Amino acid sequence: AQSVTQLGSHVSVSEGALVLLRCNYSSSVPPYLFWYVQYPNQGLQLLLKYTSAATLVKGINGFEAEFKKSETSFHLTKPSAHMSDAAEYFCAVSEESSGGSNYKLTFGKGTLLTVNP
Amino acid sequence: NAGVTQTPKFQVLKTGQSMTLQCAQDMNHNSMYWYRQDPGMGLRLIYYSASEGTTDKGEVPNGYNVSRLNKREFSLRLESAAPSQTSVYFCASRRTSWRQYFGPGTRLTVL
Repeated sequence: AQSVTQLGSHVSVSEGALVLLRCNYSSSVPPYLFWYVQYPNQGLQLLLKYTSAATLVKGINGFEAEFKKSETSFHLTKPSAHMSDAAEYFCAVSEESSGGSNYKLTFGKGTLLTVNP
Repeated sequence: NAGVTQTPKFQVLKTGQSMTLQCAQDMNHNSMYWYRQDPGMGLRLIYYSASEGTTDKGEVPNGYNVSRLNKREFSLRLESAAPSQTSVYFCASRRTSWRQYFGPGTRLTVL
């Protein structure tokens, strides 16, 4: 069974500071890993994905994440926060379900990012 | 392409009422999913349909039924709504690769 743990339900940073959102996963098979962003009253937007290629993954809006198998982690970073980055961020893991080719996503509980001027 | 569409966008029900949330996709995707989002809980899978004619339970199926009407449409029905079903509901679809495309959500309040 797969699971995701996001450390910190709320992270607050100053504009221009480093953003670090933590995600650890559990998976019985090599996983696919994702970060999604949700702006207030909107749906989910894919930020970036890891699908067993390069371990350092670059996404949209200057975000990147590094897959570390030994630590079962997939932390999201951005060197310099912008006010527009304020949103809720979800880490998710996907495995191909047994007996078929259906990828079910399991989400973490989310981290709300606040950016202070 | 409209992508994944959901209707209605907002709904208020009284306890015990029934309703159906509609989801449609125009991307010729095989698989479709229903999630609910609750504060501090992330998104949790209610039901999914790997292909037309098949449906399976997800993590939190109790109190819900689904119908995969055709390849385009996947509906979620609440037969007797309860306050615990107050949530934001997201539909998603996927063709053959890993990526799921999400709809804009339906915000449901059960009084």
